[in-house]
Amino acid sequence: NAGVMQNPRHLVRRRGQEARLRCSPMKGHSHVYWYRQLPEEGLKFMVYLQKENIIDESGMPKERFSAEFPKEGPSILRIQQVVRGDSAAYFCASSTNGGLQETQYFGPGTRLLVL
Amino acid sequence: KNQVEQSPQSLIILEGKNCTLQCNYTVSPFSNLRWYKQDTGRGPVSLTIMTFSENTKSNGRYTATLDADTKQSSLHITASQLSDSASYICVVTFKAAGNKLTFGGGTRVLVKP
Repeated sequence: NAGVMQNPRHLVRRRGQEARLRCSPMKGHSHVYWYRQLPEEGLKFMVYLQKENIIDESGMPKERFSAEFPKEGPSILRIQQVVRGDSAAYFCASSTNGGLQETQYFGPGTRLLVL
Repeated sequence: KNQVEQSPQSLIILEGKNCTLQCNYTVSPFSNLRWYKQDTGRGPVSLTIMTFSENTKSNGRYTATLDADTKQSSLHITASQLSDSASYICVVTFKAAGNKLTFGGGTRVLVKP
């Protein structure tokens, strides 16, 4: 049973370009969470999704960021018109359901560098 | 002010020695408190999870304690090994926040031979 997969592992973009980060949850998991870790900081919640639904996006910046988790395929975190401040590690986690005691399993992260 | 504060920020210990990491949180009630281990360049891995009513939880050489009255938790590492070098993150799920995880800043542990 493969763990949470994220790709790419490293992504370099120039200012103004778009970044697409992909997350495939563990088999059997239908809940996906995205977190951002800025350099020298702790992880911060961004968005929580179930298949085809955004459950909680209270941690998402109001502009340029969007997330989806389609019926088929991986969850996508999309950042439009990237700026240098978007440089960070983006982690995806998944769980079987959204229960409060459920363990969230993390992927290896995508490290985004904006030049 | 962060709702989950950890100390120390970093720690160097000799292989075979014990150490204790601290976590203080400011918001209650909470649903559970977890400790995660994050190796450099990797995603966090769950070590322990404790609910409000639990005082202690062990996972091998890792033992977490919880004092809900003082809003403190600690993670004790026994007989440290070189592979214990990592960041240890205290994570709290606050009831008011649904099932979002609130992360502490982590403690970086370096185990030297």
